[in-house]
Amino acid sequence: EDKVVQSPLSLVVHEGDTVTLNCSYEVTNFRSLLWYKQEKKAPTFLFMLTSSGIEKKSGRLSSILDKKELFSILNITATQTGDSAIYLCAVEVWSHANDMRFGAGTRLTVKP
Amino acid sequence: DSGVTQTPKHLITATGQRVTLRCSPRSGDLSVYWYQQSLDQGLQFLIQYYNGEERAKGNILERFSAQQFPDLHSELNLSSLELGDSALYFCASSVVEGKAGELFFGEGSRLTVL
Repeated sequence: EDKVVQSPLSLVVHEGDTVTLNCSYEVTNFRSLLWYKQEKKAPTFLFMLTSSGIEKKSGRLSSILDKKELFSILNITATQTGDSAIYLCAVEVWSHANDMRFGAGTRLTVKP
Repeated sequence: DSGVTQTPKHLITATGQRVTLRCSPRSGDLSVYWYQQSLDQGLQFLIQYYNGEERAKGNILERFSAQQFPDLHSELNLSSLELGDSALYFCASSVVEGKAGELFFGEGSRLTVL
């Protein structure tokens, strides 16, 4: 059975801290791994990773994929209160149709 | 604003009832996906449609059904509702058949079953 496991499930930090969120997976026919940020309602897309070792970066957020060890990390540096959200990891598998497995998410709280 | 519209935003109903959730995808997107998110749970895939045809089924109960209409909007029907069906139901759309990649999510419909 395909699995996507995120850790930690929740995390509380103070502004300015750096955090690392983890996503490990066990799926057949891996295609890509995606990170989403969910604030109050709809998840919004952050990154899509398909190749090992290539870092994707957007401002203070960055992510990298390790296809050998089957995990990805999402780093957030100099955290701000606006980074407080649930961060979802999703793994897409090759299929004729949607096959995207979501993890349970990491709830990040950034305190002032 | 993702461009995906869901109605209603909130819905409160009683056990045993039936409700319909509606989704309009982004302009040009042919694929529509439905997800369920219960409290403190991740997103659970329910079902996908592409251009009016069902493409994939996930953990969708037999009491639930969906369809996609010629104008590409989709409806998710939930019947014989139980307390455990209380959740946030998301619709998402993407443009490329079978290759989800980036999904654009609606704001969700929060269903409360009392």
